[in-house]
Amino acid sequence: DTQMTQSPATLSASVGDRVTITCRASESISRWLAWFQQKPAKAPKLLIYRGPNLDSGVPSRFSGSGSGTEFTLTITNLQPDDFATYYCLQYNTYPYTFGQGTKVEVK
Amino acid sequence: QAQLLESGGGVVQPGGSLRLSCVASGFIFTTYNIHWVRQAPGKGLEWVAGIWYDGSNIQYVDSVKGRFTISRDNSKNTVYLQMNSLRVNDTAAYYCARDIGVVLMDVWGPGTTVTVSS
Repeated sequence: DTQMTQSPATLSASVGDRVTITCRASESISRWLAWFQQKPAKAPKLLIYRGPNLDSGVPSRFSGSGSGTEFTLTITNLQPDDFATYYCLQYNTYPYTFGQGTKVEVK
Repeated sequence: QAQLLESGGGVVQPGGSLRLSCVASGFIFTTYNIHWVRQAPGKGLEWVAGIWYDGSNIQYVDSVKGRFTISRDNSKNTVYLQMNSLRVNDTAAYYCARDIGVVLMDVWGPGTTVTVSS
């Protein structure tokens, strides 16, 4: 199975900050990676798919980059609504696998 | 507006069975693959199973193989997850989500909760 290692587990930040979350795959997954945002007791929300592509309606302060085994999610000008937990997901091969999650909390 | 709605969760004893349903509306169901993803209390997300739009490809995570069965009825816009031989560590919120290949899991249901406890 392809293992996804996400870091950091927790990130403390302030409104207006630029934050970066990293996912590393145990083998190449090309660009078959998605990023999700989840708030407590809610379903995840797709932010980015197939590398750099923003889902419809997702603010442009979110961006994704990377290919192969190293990927990053960057949030510029962090907004109050962005405090949440973020997950990466590889969908290059089955079983699909998520990263462990990164909680972005108020500093 | 595309929507998914799960049902069928509940409390069951270890070794018991449940069948979850995921009903779709607002989009052409027969063109989408559907996945089940679960989240144990206080834990991260785990992909559980997926089924292609026509049912021709079915995949499971190893921990549920032989116990869970995913199926779909395109005439009812519904995907099912039959869960047998349930274990305490199957306790989770179960979500269904759609997929059209490149754009993965862009619509999710609100989830249904399964609790396995004696």
